[in-house]
Amino acid sequence: QITLEESGPTFVKATQTLTLTCTFSGFSFSHSGMGVGWIRQPPGKALEWLAVTYWDEEKLYSPSLRTRLTIAKDTSKNQVVLTLTNMDPLDTATYFCAHRLGDGFDNWGQGLLVTVSS
Amino acid sequence: QSVLTQPPSVSGAPGQRVTISCTGNSSNIGAGSDVNWYRQLPGAAPKVLIYATNNRPSGVPDRFSGSKSGTSASLAITGLQAEDEADYFCQFYDISLSGYVFGTGTKLTVL
Repeated sequence: QITLEESGPTFVKATQTLTLTCTFSGFSFSHSGMGVGWIRQPPGKALEWLAVTYWDEEKLYSPSLRTRLTIAKDTSKNQVVLTLTNMDPLDTATYFCAHRLGDGFDNWGQGLLVTVSS
Repeated sequence: QSVLTQPPSVSGAPGQRVTISCTGNSSNIGAGSDVNWYRQLPGAAPKVLIYATNNRPSGVPDRFSGSKSGTSASLAITGLQAEDEADYFCQFYDISLSGYVFGTGTKLTVL
């Protein structure tokens, strides 16, 4: 059974850097094809893909946020860390991590609401 | 703004059939990209309903089906139930952008 859980601060101030951790179980980056992505959703709005990291060290980023995002995996800890620099109130959203399957995501964490104050 | 456009809302009575469209263009859906569909209940994480355009994961009832025609994909729900009231999102992998793209989302209301 695959499970994922997001952790990190729920409040940050503008200009600060957000660091979120996704801790997962039920799969391993040691296996070919594995990937974990981050997706966010501002209150009442649509989903927005942010980044994904794969078993083979490949990393992809949203073109609109590439300069502010970093994703990294720790295979030994079964964790994926996302950092987003220079936070703005517009970055207020629920941040999800999810297990990648094919061209989509089949298992999601419950999400973490992050509020950015000005 | 997403390259995948969905109607903001659709509605139907219990037992009815509804469809939700996901409109792309000749560079994505029209070029053969597969589409995934997710359902998001209020306050919950999205759950995959359909993957690779018309495949259901185990546990998803056959009331849900996906299809594609031209530059659009569709999610059909038959035998509408109260618990189907949720937000629905389409999604595809954009090879040209090397990234995942979600649709604008549709709120389904069961009357």
